[in-house]
Order: sequence, then C-alpha cells, then structure tokens
Amino acid sequence: KAGVTQTPRYLIKTRGQQVTLSCSPISGHRSVSWYQQTPGQGLQFLFEYFSETQRNKGNFPGRFSGRQFSNSRSEMNVSTLELGDSALYLCASSFGDRDYTGELFFGEGSRLTVL
Amino acid sequence: QKEVEQNSGPLSVPEGAIASLNCTYSDRGSQSFFWYRQYSGKSPELIMFIYSNGDKEDGRFTAQLNKASQYVSLLIRDSQPSDSATYLCAVGGDQAAGNKLTFGGGTRVLVKP
Repeated sequence: KAGVTQTPRYLIKTRGQQVTLSCSPISGHRSVSWYQQTPGQGLQFLFEYFSETQRNKGNFPGRFSGRQFSNSRSEMNVSTLELGDSALYLCASSFGDRDYTGELFFGEGSRLTVL
Repeated sequence: QKEVEQNSGPLSVPEGAIASLNCTYSDRGSQSFFWYRQYSGKSPELIMFIYSNGDKEDGRFTAQLNKASQYVSLLIRDSQPSDSATYLCAVGGDQAAGNKLTFGGGTRVLVKP
C-alpha cells in the first residue's frame, strides 16, 4: 500500500515568490492535514481538508492557503514568501472519520528554503 | 493559546532499561492524546494513542493519561538502540477539532548499548 506522497521534496525560493506544494494521501484516506515544522516552533498545524472542505485552520496568516480535490489529493500554497517561511512542510493523511481522529500518517515532507 | 510541554532531553537510557517520557498540556478540553516517534531526518510516525484515564499497553510501550493532572506519559520498556529518536506528544480536541493536533517540542531519547 503506497504511503503519503509529497512533491517536491526540496525547493529553494526567494522572498516575494510563491510556492505550491502537493500531497497525495494514502488510498482511501479522505482527510489531509498540513503541518509546518521548524527547529524553533516545532510542529504547527496549518489546516485540514476533508472531502474537499477545509475542516480546521491553524493560526497562520492568509498567505498560507490550501485546497483539496475530489480524489483527495491536496495542495497548499504560500504567497509572498518570507524568510521565516523556511521550514519542512508535512502533509498527513487519515481516514478522517471520528474513530480515526488524530491517527495521522505523515509524508516525507517538502523542505522549503527561502533566500 | 493551547500548549503542550515536554522536556527536550536528551534522555539517556541504557539498553534494556525503561525510558520514561512526560508531557503536560494546558487545555482541559483536550480529549485525545498521541505519541509520535520521529527519527532524525524522517517524518513522525504514530506509536500510541490514548483517550481515557489510565494505562494503555502496546508491546514495549505503555501510555498513561491523567486528565485531572493534565499529564500524559510514555514508558518504553526494554529500551533498544533502535528506540533512539525524538518522541512527540500531541494533543487533540473534541470531534470538531478533527485532526488539528497541538504538538509538544519533543523529547530526544538516546539508548546506549
């Protein structure tokens, strides 16, 4: 069974640019959550999508956005990049049903460096 | 602001000994509790979850929850060098919170042969 696939794995951008990250969840999983991991702040929740709808949102500025497609694949976008956006962006999939809340399967992450 | 606190470590444990990890959380409304393990350079993986007060055992791992004290712990029995990793405590809310978890900073565990 294939795991969570994130692309690209590594990318370098400059300040002011925008970036789009992609996540393909495990087959059958309808929930995709995005987390940002940095050495200083640890793992922080960005947002969760379930059945193409944003179900929850973390405390990040509006420059961070996402969406989910009918096949459960998800993308997140960061516009007007800042140096502080340099981080590992982790996608996590789950069934999303009440019985599986919090049981997340993480992808390998997309490491973003902003210069 | 919901907070989850962990000792950053490193927690150094001899092979075969018990590693004891602690986690406290600030939100009394928290209802689900998780332990994730993250090897260096890898992504987190779920090792335990607990929803009710008391102990829950799974192989060499035991999770303990005390909601009154807002305290979660993880015991690793017969620690092996392969257990050397960072252990992340994560806390979730009610059903409406979905998969919105608050993570602690992690405790780094070193198991010495």
